[in-house]
Amino acid sequence: DQQVKQNSPSLSVQEGRISILNCDYTNSMFDYFLWYKKYPAEGPTFLISISSIKDKNEDGRFTVFLNKSAKHLSLHIVPSQPGDSAVYFCAAVPSSNTGKLIFGQGTTLQVKP
Amino acid sequence: KAGVTQTPRYLIKTRGQQVTLSCSPISGHRSVSWYQQTPGQGLQFLFEYFSETQRNKGNFPGRFSGRQFSNSRSEMNVSTLELGDSALYLCASSLGGGNQETQYFGPGTRLLVL
Repeated sequence: DQQVKQNSPSLSVQEGRISILNCDYTNSMFDYFLWYKKYPAEGPTFLISISSIKDKNEDGRFTVFLNKSAKHLSLHIVPSQPGDSAVYFCAAVPSSNTGKLIFGQGTTLQVKP
Repeated sequence: KAGVTQTPRYLIKTRGQQVTLSCSPISGHRSVSWYQQTPGQGLQFLFEYFSETQRNKGNFPGRFSGRQFSNSRSEMNVSTLELGDSALYLCASSLGGGNQETQYFGPGTRLLVL
């Protein structure tokens, strides 16, 4: 039972354009959502987060949007840079659980120069 | 401030052996969570420790265990290793493990079971 889903395994964009990564969830009892970037054989690096009481959070080139009615969140990267090429994971924190993140399967982003 | 550190970075074991992995959280962080990453199952939550107590546990067999020390450092142990335990093991720390807190990850320990 996959509670957090990233339905696009991969995404390719041109440098300077916008990258949009999507994530869907099935459980309404998530309090907090996060996006991580990961390189092979390394730990995930935190990018940006959003509380379930908000619908948008911005940090530099990264913006996360949350649509609670659709149980959907997205990460926008503008402008995309070749160094952004990595695997991106969305993660959700259940309100009933401490210290637990539920991850999506990841989306591999390739930014072409 | 130093990040989360994990030792060792790489480990090779044979089936039936046991292994202990170590994690030092960010200074001041008291919650440590452990995750397993495999190609087939993705990133899965193992357990979380806070103030030397296991507060939360994922769906893993009892061969997977952990503990936390008074300085918040944590260890996880896997006994009677199986081939399927080959994975990247990640630990993450946060201030208190609350529902609105960010977890910061270490570089991971790559375990290969032969």
